[in-house]
Amino acid sequence: AQSVTQPDIHITVSEGASLELRCNYSYGATPYLFWYVQSPGQGLQLLLKYFSGDTLVQGIKGFEAEFKRSQSSFNLRKPSVHWSDAAEYFCAVGAGLKADKLIFGTGTRLQVFP
Amino acid sequence: NAGVMQNPRHLVRRRGQEARLRCSPMKGHSHVYWYRQLPEEGLKFMVYLQKENIIDESGMPKERFSAEFPKEGPSILRIQQVVRGDSAAYFCASSTDRSALGEQFFGPGTRLTVL
Repeated sequence: AQSVTQPDIHITVSEGASLELRCNYSYGATPYLFWYVQSPGQGLQLLLKYFSGDTLVQGIKGFEAEFKRSQSSFNLRKPSVHWSDAAEYFCAVGAGLKADKLIFGTGTRLQVFP
Repeated sequence: NAGVMQNPRHLVRRRGQEARLRCSPMKGHSHVYWYRQLPEEGLKFMVYLQKENIIDESGMPKERFSAEFPKEGPSILRIQQVVRGDSAAYFCASSTDRSALGEQFFGPGTRLTVL
């Protein structure tokens, strides 16, 4: 069965530090992968997505993610975190015939200290 | 262009009552998805609708839950005879296309609390 695992429930970093959020997926075919961010009281906003091609994907707000098929991973990275990046981050895989049914991980809550 | 709108944002119901959650998709979007987020869990797909049609309801509980997306007006997720286990955040998303290529835009969610 398709699934997404985000092993880190909560991460705390200092402003200006680098960030990596882990995501592992289980999916039989070539996955469509997504990272979303959810600020308190808000809906989810798409940061980036991977369908095919270059395995390093650039997104909004300075985020990037790298697809590694051999490790079934799609980790999210940012070289220098800003206080406004504090939020919850969700990794998802697109399932179903059209890959439009998103299967989400349980999320990683990011806290940023000044 | 307003984003996806959901109302109410917070809804409190007593056990046995009905809950109606509304979702207005973005202008020009004819595809609506509903997801449920239980406490400490990720979002889980419930149902996918196009105008006037339920296309995929594989994630919907078999009883008490229903969804519609009429020709005019918002999409409605209806929960009859609510129980405490229905307490969750319910998100809808809309898109222009039924595929992973069509980005799903999410609303702010409705937080349902069942007393």
